[in-house]
Amino acid sequence: NAGVTQTPKFQVLKTGQSMTLQCAQDMNHEYMSWYRQDPGMGLRLIHYSVGAGITDQGEVPNGYNVSRSTTEDFPLRLLSAAPSQTSVYFCASNRGAEAFFGQGTRLTVV
Amino acid sequence: GQQVMQIPQYQHVQEGEDFTTYCNSSTTLSNIQWYKQRPGGHPVFLIQLVKSGEVKKQKRLTFQFGEAKKNSSLHITATQTTDVGTYFCAGRYSFNKFYFGSGTKLNVKP
Repeated sequence: NAGVTQTPKFQVLKTGQSMTLQCAQDMNHEYMSWYRQDPGMGLRLIHYSVGAGITDQGEVPNGYNVSRSTTEDFPLRLLSAAPSQTSVYFCASNRGAEAFFGQGTRLTVV
Repeated sequence: GQQVMQIPQYQHVQEGEDFTTYCNSSTTLSNIQWYKQRPGGHPVFLIQLVKSGEVKKQKRLTFQFGEAKKNSSLHITATQTTDVGTYFCAGRYSFNKFYFGSGTKLNVKP
């Protein structure tokens, strides 16, 4: 099993550009989530999904969209990138209480 | 909104010394989880506490959940250089959402 795979690992965007961060898991987990991590602020929940076709907002959803068409994939879309979205993004999937995190995507918006 | 406060932000110890990090919530938690993140890495699940007053041990790590389910602590006995990293708590208020503390960064001097 590869676990949770995130792509890309690094990305630089210009303000106003859009992009999709990819997240895939091969553990057949129903629950998946996206977090952003900023220095001194821990991880903040952006969006989450409890299964294919079901998504909901987390703590900081503005500027981000998600969809869940399959159990395996949970992409995160930045609609119009802003410098405030410069962060490290983590995708996670859960088996019960235990969350398995991907390696992260370091995004810089200039 | 819900918030989990974690202290201290940083802790520098000599190898062999003990270490403790604390998490507090103003409202009752459903449960709390602890994660470790090595420098440059992703969070790794350590444990979940569910019951009031629960104490769990993993080798040199002791996890406690307060009687009122509003606070929790992680204690490491006789730290080693392999303990270096940032320790996060994540409190659960509702079924699908976790709120992370800001983390305690532990540095261990050999």
